[in-house]
Amino acid sequence: QKEVEQNSGPLSVPEGAIASLNCTYSDRGSQSFFWYRQYSGKSPELIMSIYSNGDKEDGRFTAQLNKASQYVSLLIRDSQPSDSATYLCAVNRGDTGNQFYFGTGTSLTVIP
Amino acid sequence: EAGVTQFPSHSVIEKGQTVTLRCDPISGHDNLYWYRRVMGKEIKFLLHFVKESKQDESGMPNNRFLAERTGGTYSTLKVQPAELEDSGVYFCATNTGYNSPLHFGNGTRLTVT
Repeated sequence: QKEVEQNSGPLSVPEGAIASLNCTYSDRGSQSFFWYRQYSGKSPELIMSIYSNGDKEDGRFTAQLNKASQYVSLLIRDSQPSDSATYLCAVNRGDTGNQFYFGTGTSLTVIP
Repeated sequence: EAGVTQFPSHSVIEKGQTVTLRCDPISGHDNLYWYRRVMGKEIKFLLHFVKESKQDESGMPNNRFLAERTGGTYSTLKVQPAELEDSGVYFCATNTGYNSPLHFGNGTRLTVT
């Protein structure tokens, strides 16, 4: 079983729509959760971090965390063509190991 | 604030040769990680430094890989001798402490032929 699983996509949405990206994780001891965006040939860049159950909003982005279900999601409202990228979910235990585990990423295309 | 810097950006070597990758962290970031992404797979952990000490090297594939972080500043990752399966993108990432997000370098794309 993989540590972090994401819906593999590719996901296509029209411009202005809501894009929904999902991620599940296997380690119940995980404490911190991150969404990264990666453009082709570039490094991953942080979009959101979330540590507590519930929703966290930042502009057009909303991260949702449900630790009981071991599920974290990212919603992108009013999707723009510039949002087209691969989105990576990352999970961290936050203990002495401090390893980050990544999903394989979901490729998102926003169609103008 | 300067970001995480990696070089070279690309390296093409033949099987059996040696390659050394370098990472310069963000100033003040004690935690430094090396990750690798093979085509079509997830980004996988290789090892973690806290300052100059190896905190966790459980992800290192074998003893052909050697990482160092002299003086707790920049880090190097040496592959000797390189094999075909070592091809991939090697990312360095740093952070300030537990639970804080990783900041990535642009990666080194290694191709072993």
